[in-house]
Amino acid sequence: QKEVEQDPGPLSVPEGAIVSLNCTYSNSAFQYFMWYRQYSRKGPELLMYTYSSGNKEDGRFTAQVDKSSKYISLFIRDSQPSDSATYLCAMSFYGQNFVFGPGTRLSVLP
Amino acid sequence: NAGVMQNPRHLVRRRGQEARLRCSPMKGHSHVYWYRQLPEEGLKFMVYLQKENIIDESGMPKERFSAEFPKEGPSILRIQQVVRGDSAAYFCASSPRSGKDYGYTFGSGTRLTVV
Repeated sequence: QKEVEQDPGPLSVPEGAIVSLNCTYSNSAFQYFMWYRQYSRKGPELLMYTYSSGNKEDGRFTAQVDKSSKYISLFIRDSQPSDSATYLCAMSFYGQNFVFGPGTRLSVLP
Repeated sequence: NAGVMQNPRHLVRRRGQEARLRCSPMKGHSHVYWYRQLPEEGLKFMVYLQKENIIDESGMPKERFSAEFPKEGPSILRIQQVVRGDSAAYFCASSPRSGKDYGYTFGSGTRLTVV
């Protein structure tokens, strides 16, 4: 079993839809969680960063962490074609040496 | 305020040559991390450095790979005697202190092709 798992997609949605992206993980000791967006041939861009369980909202993005289920989510409201990218989740024990999921490819269709 | 700068963006090496990848962290950032991304795979941690110190190299292959972050100048990831399997995108990230408070900022990567 991989440490961090993500559905690779591709996930295709119409413009304006609410997008739900998810990761599951196996190690209950993870405490720090991040979501990155990566456009093709570019470096990852930090979207959201959370510690332990709970929700965090930033503009159109909401991150949720459910440590009891070892499950994290990223929601994108009012999705735009410019949101089309690969979304990577990452997690860590101590906030260093983050373990990344393989990424979910998202395509938002105009 | 420049972000994390990596160079070169693309690097082609013949098998057996050396590859040197450079990373200048964001201004004020003293923590540097190197990751490797293979096609269709996630980012894999390689090494974590602070100025003049290697903090964690648990993800580095035992042979041919080395990294440094000198007091002056960029961090260097060096791959000696490259093989085709080293072909990948290598990303550097930095943070002002431990990533637990801030997360990472990534550079645009160096794409290494071994021919």
